[in-house]
Amino acid sequence: GAVVSQHPSWVICKSGTSVKIECRSLDFQATTMFWYRQFPKQSLMLMATSNEGSKATYEQGVEKDKFLINHASLTLSTLTVTSAHPEDSSFYICSARDTLQGLVSYEQYFGPGTRLTVT
Amino acid sequence: EDQVTQSPEALRLQEGESSSLNCSYTVSGLRGLFWYRQDPGKGPEFLFTLYSAGEEKEKERLKATLTKKESFLHITAPKPEDSATYLCAVQGISNGGNNRKLIWGLGTSLAVNP
Repeated sequence: GAVVSQHPSWVICKSGTSVKIECRSLDFQATTMFWYRQFPKQSLMLMATSNEGSKATYEQGVEKDKFLINHASLTLSTLTVTSAHPEDSSFYICSARDTLQGLVSYEQYFGPGTRLTVT
Repeated sequence: EDQVTQSPEALRLQEGESSSLNCSYTVSGLRGLFWYRQDPGKGPEFLFTLYSAGEEKEKERLKATLTKKESFLHITAPKPEDSATYLCAVQGISNGGNNRKLIWGLGTSLAVNP
């Protein structure tokens, strides 16, 4: 149980284009999902918290107009990197909290990550 | 301010050589402490949640313990496949709103040599 998928697993795009990453909870409902960014040999950096049916909450320093988040259903959140530049190249990971389990616990279940390379 | 510090930063063990990883935390009211394992190029894999001092949880060669200030991840007779980065995170009362974000440590990179 508690499986989270991400698509695509890797993507290469040209500078100036936009890229969409999908995060799905496969066997549970997730009112809340999180988007992280991870640089090589560094820990997770929370970018934003995505809540189903409402606007995402972005961490300080994260450009909300550049990293668009949509949480349209209880099992799907998307992250769109708009007008991507080489400095946006990174490993993006999503996580999800089980809505029902989350009433008593706070675990986050992670997707496998998406490697974005902007050329 | 809530904070998590993990030590050591890196650890190299021989197969079968037991050891412990440390996670020290400062939080205004602990709701939960979490251990994850992360392999290179993959998302973190959930291992344990601990809620109160004195609590212990086990899974195969791993055992997690919790005090009021720190948590230990004990690895008994490790195998090469236990090589990974182990991450610790806490959920505090101050982050207990709707977002409920976790505060993360930087991780311990474990290498187990055959």
